[in-house]
Amino acid sequence: AQSVTQLGSHVSVSEGALVLLRCNYSSSVPPYLFWYVQYPNQGLQLLLKYTTGATLVKGINGFEAEFKKSETSFHLTKPSAHMSDAAEYFCAVENNAGNMLTFGGGTRLMVKP
Amino acid sequence: DTEVTQTPKHLVMGMTNKKSLKCEQHMGHRAMYWYKQKAKKPPELMFVYSYEKLSINESVPSRFSPECPNSSLLNLHLHALQPEDSALYLCASSPGRQTMNTEAFFGQGTRLTVV
Repeated sequence: AQSVTQLGSHVSVSEGALVLLRCNYSSSVPPYLFWYVQYPNQGLQLLLKYTTGATLVKGINGFEAEFKKSETSFHLTKPSAHMSDAAEYFCAVENNAGNMLTFGGGTRLMVKP
Repeated sequence: DTEVTQTPKHLVMGMTNKKSLKCEQHMGHRAMYWYKQKAKKPPELMFVYSYEKLSINESVPSRFSPECPNSSLLNLHLHALQPEDSALYLCASSPGRQTMNTEAFFGQGTRLTVV
């Protein structure tokens, strides 16, 4: 079975600083991995995904993530935080059958002026 | 059109009421999902429909009854709910593994309050 662990339920950065949100996964097969963002009282919006191919994946809003098989990690980064990046971020892994996402516990990103 | 539309956006219901949540997508996706999300928690899978057939039921109480009338629509019928069922209910859809495009699109959710 797949599982996802997000280290740090809350991350606070200053505007303009580097954003690093950590995600580690467990999967018995090559995983499909996703990062979603959720703003208050909203649904989830896909930031980026890794399926196959290039391990550095670029997404929307300047975010990117790198799949590292040796570390079973898929950390999310952004070089310079904006106030509008404040939200909840979820890492997710898809199951073998391709019909179910398992989410990590989420990380709330706070951006200070 | 890459939208998943959920109605209503907000719903307040009593414990003896019967209500339904609706979800619609026109992306040609063949998998549709219901998730429940409590405050400050990740979404928890409730049901999966694949090609209009229920493929996953995550041991959800029978007071929640899903229905997939066609490939574009997904309903969640609610009856005799409890206050602890209050949550954000999210609908999602995805193309299905066959296309190798596994991105799931989520609706904005229905905020349900049971009183």
